[in-house]
Amino acid sequence: GEDVEQSLFLSVREGDSSVINCTYTDSSSTYLYWYKQEPGAGLQLLTYIFSNMDMKQDQRLTVLLNKKDKHLSLRIADTQTGDSAIYFCAGGPWGGGNKLTFGTGTQLKVEL
Amino acid sequence: EAQVTQNPRYLITVTGKKLTVTCSQNMNHEYMSWYRQDPGLGLRQIYYSMNVEVTDKGDVPEGYKVSRKEKRNFPLILESPSPNQTSLYFCASSLGTGVEQYFGPGTRLTVT
Repeated sequence: GEDVEQSLFLSVREGDSSVINCTYTDSSSTYLYWYKQEPGAGLQLLTYIFSNMDMKQDQRLTVLLNKKDKHLSLRIADTQTGDSAIYFCAGGPWGGGNKLTFGTGTQLKVEL
Repeated sequence: EAQVTQNPRYLITVTGKKLTVTCSQNMNHEYMSWYRQDPGLGLRQIYYSMNVEVTDKGDVPEGYKVSRKEKRNFPLILESPSPNQTSLYFCASSLGTGVEQYFGPGTRLTVT
């Protein structure tokens, strides 16, 4: 099965950019997602990218995909205290029903 | 309001006592999944369902059962719970594969 790895913690100052990284093993993952989990809550989809894309931008969020290195990153511009949360990357194959494999999650802490 | 509901939200039980965690969605979604979230391990998929009476194992199905008799409901059954099933459980649903999954608020289960 797929392995998805993330670093556990990231600390940034308010107003700086945050970059959260993710590596995955299964090159057949067709969809790659970023989810956000705030304390005590479920997961909320932030953005996703198809494997035939290299980059996707959505307001303050930029997703970069390096298929050769199986590396996915999420950049948050102008990070705010409200961005403090756990961020999960996840991958899923085409036609895999809803079989997603999630990373371990990165705890983002935004300091004033 | 479109939502995924889970009950109960918190449950403390003893080893071996059968329990059911209910999950219901009001969005007419075909796909539903159960995940467990453990520190340092992220979310791991337990079971998923692509439609009524169609279910399949995820990454960690041992010790769990599911059923999908109606489109809106996807209960998770622990026939004989053990302490290693102490975890935070999430139910999720989506309209199809490769699209946003909507997560429930979570059920925190403690098995003593």
